[in-house]
Parts: sequence; structure tokens; C-alpha cells
Amino acid sequence: NAGVTQTPKFQVLKTGQSMTLQCAQDMNHEYMSWYRQDPGMGLRLIHYSVGAGITDQGEVPNGYNVSRSTTEDFPLRLLSAAPSQTSVYFCASSKISSSYGYTFGSGTRLTVV
Amino acid sequence: AQKVTQAQTEISVVEKEDVTLDCVYETRDTTYYLFWYKQPPSGELVFLIRRNSFDEQNEISGRYSWNFQKSTSSFNFTITASQVVDSAVYFCALSEDSGNTPLVFGKGTRLSVIA
Repeated sequence: NAGVTQTPKFQVLKTGQSMTLQCAQDMNHEYMSWYRQDPGMGLRLIHYSVGAGITDQGEVPNGYNVSRSTTEDFPLRLLSAAPSQTSVYFCASSKISSSYGYTFGSGTRLTVV
Repeated sequence: AQKVTQAQTEISVVEKEDVTLDCVYETRDTTYYLFWYKQPPSGELVFLIRRNSFDEQNEISGRYSWNFQKSTSSFNFTITASQVVDSAVYFCALSEDSGNTPLVFGKGTRLSVIA
């Protein structure tokens, strides 16, 4: 049981490049979300999904796209990377009405130069 | 709108001291869930506890205890006899309604336990 798998763990991008952060879970969780963590800011929600085909914006969605074509996968796309997107990104999932809270991936450290 | 405030940015204690991490929340819902997560230096986020708004019983798990008080909108976390391995950033979080609305996190409290 792998839990929540994020790839890559580290990435350096040049300003203007695009990339996709991958997130996959094998726990049949309906709910998935993406957060970014910046020093002193805690974790801020980017996008989330309550099931395949359903996504919604969080607190800081600008510059990011998501889609949820399957229950297992929830990729996060950066269309044109900016230095302000330098951050640590966490994907999380949970079962609807779970008593165990969210399960987080190990994070992706992204640097945009 | 929901909000979580962790007023303590950093705390430093000597090993074996007790320490309390404060969490104050704001919500208009009568049904909500509160969480604590631990982020050790390795960076992963570890779930510690979830509490629903209808259960005000305090919780104890080993050296960890949680004090939920709806009257003051607080959900404080106490570590008894702290250890170096407790050094981490601790996040309090809130989810409204069914618990499947997104978690809103506080900014975290960095705890350093010195040997």
C-alpha cells in the first residue's frame, strides 16, 4: 500500500517553463487536494477535488491547473512558471467521512529561477 | 470564513519540560472538524488527531493531550515531558461541514526541544 505518491521530489524550472507535478493514491480516496507551503505561511490550498471529474479552486489557484480524470490521479500543472511559485507542494487525499484525516504525500520541492 | 490562528511562531523548551501549543479557530458552522499535524525536519506531514465539534472530551495519547474548548474556540495541544524527537513544526487545521471541505491550516508553530 503506497499511500500518496508525489513525483518528482525535487525540480528546478526556468521562468516561463511548464511542468506537471504528479500525485497518485492507491487508497480509493474520493477527496484529493494540492497545497503549497511557504515559510511563515503555513499550508495554503491551491485546488481540490471531491471525485473524478470534479475540481474546485482553493485559496491560491492562479497559475495552476488541475484535472481529475480518475479517482487515483490528481496532477497539478504549472503553465508558465514564475519565481513566486517556488515552494514545497503537497498533495493530500482522504476518504469521504474519514476519521483519519488527510494522508499527505512526501512533497515536491520546486525552485523557479 | 474559516480561519485558524497559531499565535506562537516558535517555542523552545528544555527536554522533559511540558509545552502547550495554542490553536484558536473561527468558523460560522456548528459542525466542523479540528486537526493537528506534525511536520518533523524530514518534511513529511503526520496526522496526529481529528476532533469533531460535538465532542468536547479531552483526548490523551501517551505524552500528547488535546484540550478542546468551544467556549473559547480553542484546540490546544500539550506535550508532557518533551523529548528531542518532538522537535517539529506543528499545524492546527479546521474543516467545516462534513469534514470533506478543504482543510484550512494555521501558520504552524515550530517547537525546538533542547537536550
